Amino acid sequence: AQSVTQPDIHITVSEGASLELRCNYSYGATPYLFWYVQSPGQGLQLLLKYFSGDTLVQGIKGFEAEFKRSQSSFNLRKPSVHWSDAAEYFCAVGDSSASKIIFGSGTRLSIRP
Amino acid sequence: NAGVTQTPKFQVLKTGQSMTLQCAQDMNHEYMSWYRQDPGMGLRLIHYSVGAGITDQGEVPNGYNVSRSTTEDFPLRLLSAAPSQTSVYFCASRSQAGNQPQHFGDGTRLSIL
Repeated sequence: AQSVTQPDIHITVSEGASLELRCNYSYGATPYLFWYVQSPGQGLQLLLKYFSGDTLVQGIKGFEAEFKRSQSSFNLRKPSVHWSDAAEYFCAVGDSSASKIIFGSGTRLSIRP
Repeated sequence: NAGVTQTPKFQVLKTGQSMTLQCAQDMNHEYMSWYRQDPGMGLRLIHYSVGAGITDQGEVPNGYNVSRSTTEDFPLRLLSAAPSQTSVYFCASRSQAGNQPQHFGDGTRLSIL
């Protein structure tokens, strides 16, 4: 069975600064990996996904993530954050068919003006 | 396209009552899932299905039943509601074909008194 850990509960960064949100997964085979964002009171929006191929994945809103098999990680990055990026971010891992997808507990991102 | 439709959007129950949360998708997706979202705990998988007639337990299945008689519908039943089941419930669907992400419904906010 797969699992996913987001070690940072809450992160605050200054507007314009770079961002990295950590995600570690556990799964015996090559996983399917996702990052979602959720603004307060809203539903989930997919930022990016990794299924296979290039380990550096580009997503929407200027986000990217890198799959590192040796570290069992799939960290989310953005070179320069905007105030509108304040939200909760969820990493998720799917099994070999991505029929069963497990989410992490989330990281809340705050932006300092 | 309606996508994933959840009804109702809000519901208040008394302890011990039963209720069914409805989920329907019009995208002919094989995979469907139910999650609950609680503060600080992310989304936790309750049950999932890989096709009509096939369901399986997720991370937190106790107190919930599901069935999948058609491809389109995946109802979630609470047989005897408990205050611990107060949560926001999300239904999701996904095609098994290719590297497709999950599509989420807008959620059902359920309060159990």
